[in-house]
Amino acid sequence: SQKIEQNSEALNIQEGKTATLTCNYTNYSPAYLQWYRQDPGRGPVFLLLIRENEKEKRKERLKVTFDTTLKQSLFHITASQPADSATYLCAAIKAAGNKLTFGGGTRVLVKP
Amino acid sequence: GAVVSQHPSRVICKSGTSVKIECRSLDFQATTMFWYRQFPKQSLMLMATSNEGSKATYEQGVEKDKFLINHASLTLSTLTVTSAHPEDSSFYICSATGLMNTEAFFGQGTRLTVV
Repeated sequence: SQKIEQNSEALNIQEGKTATLTCNYTNYSPAYLQWYRQDPGRGPVFLLLIRENEKEKRKERLKVTFDTTLKQSLFHITASQPADSATYLCAAIKAAGNKLTFGGGTRVLVKP
Repeated sequence: GAVVSQHPSRVICKSGTSVKIECRSLDFQATTMFWYRQFPKQSLMLMATSNEGSKATYEQGVEKDKFLINHASLTLSTLTVTSAHPEDSSFYICSATGLMNTEAFFGQGTRLTVV
């Protein structure tokens, strides 16, 4: 069955450092990978999308990579801030309008 | 980004009653809406996919007669939890996409507590 896996352990990181999150997929060939942020008691918020033919995408302090050989996406938060503390969800989709398949999410805690 | 409004944000109901949750896309036409359920410290579990004007497609293990989904217009979908029981208590979230969208826009979520 299709699986999207993220590290379930919380990531504790010092303010100013780079946080790196991993998303691996199996039995799946997504056309797009997406990253969302979710705060407690709130719905997820879209952050970044990367297509299968793209290696890297950036948005402000965020960077996403997509390696179709490794079947993996990496999500980086550079110069992390306490306000970046949240759960980050990876999601895969085959085509526009299709349903998203979510990973379990990784909680990030940035300490001042 | 696009705005999706979900209402109510919190609801407490008695066992045996029904609860309706609304999901509206405020500034775009949502051809597809998705309903998720989320347990504490777990990821989103897709319950069903609904396309405007057609019957919802439910994921395996989700009772369609218990979780009634209506997508009557391009801006509104509703989820009705019928004959609610305490085990239905959860966080319910909707999302919406347009025909050419790949990213999903989520509502704020509804915390349902059945007592």
